[in-house]
Amino acid sequence: ETGVTQSPTHLIKTRGQQVTLRCSSQSGHNTVSWYQQALGQGPQFIFQYYREEENGRGNFPPRFSGLQFPNYSSELNVNALELDDSALYLCASSQQGVGNQPQHFGDGTRLSIL
Amino acid sequence: GNSVTQMEGPVTLSEEAFLTINCTYTATGYPSLFWYVQYPGEGLQLLLKATKADDKGSNKGFEATYRKETTSFHLEKGSVQVSDSAVYFCAGERGFQKLVFGTGTRLLVSP
Repeated sequence: ETGVTQSPTHLIKTRGQQVTLRCSSQSGHNTVSWYQQALGQGPQFIFQYYREEENGRGNFPPRFSGLQFPNYSSELNVNALELDDSALYLCASSQQGVGNQPQHFGDGTRLSIL
Repeated sequence: GNSVTQMEGPVTLSEEAFLTINCTYTATGYPSLFWYVQYPGEGLQLLLKATKADDKGSNKGFEATYRKETTSFHLEKGSVQVSDSAVYFCAGERGFQKLVFGTGTRLLVSP
């Protein structure tokens, strides 16, 4: 059973650029949640995808968008990058409808904006 | 809205000392509560959880009890090890698997 994998592990961009981060959910998991963790802070919920549909969103602007694919993997897209977008982006997967199963987190993508 | 407050770190202890990291939550209703641990360069690992009042979560010698009357979920361990050095996050669930995290507490354990 493979865990949650994220790519790339590190990324450097400049202000105004666009970025796509990828997440492969754990086998059998149909729900993916994305979090932003700024340096020295706790993770902040960005949004969640369940069966390819957005299923809840945190307090993030529309330039943060996402997708979930039929195999339940997911992408996080951020447009018009700002310096404050520098953070560790974490993906977590879980299985809805199967008891009280915990989320499993990937190791994250560290995004640096210059 | 929901929020989680945890004690600021770093918490510095000697090996075999007793650990307490405080966590209080503000929420509508009684959400499930969690403690996650983050080792350097890694993602979050679930340490323990409690889904209702008076539940006690425990794992690897760590434990926390869901106290409805004080809205708290303090993390405790009777005897810490150097390998417990990490950042610990308290979290509450706002809807299915949508977590609200505290700011984290860094634990440093010296030999």
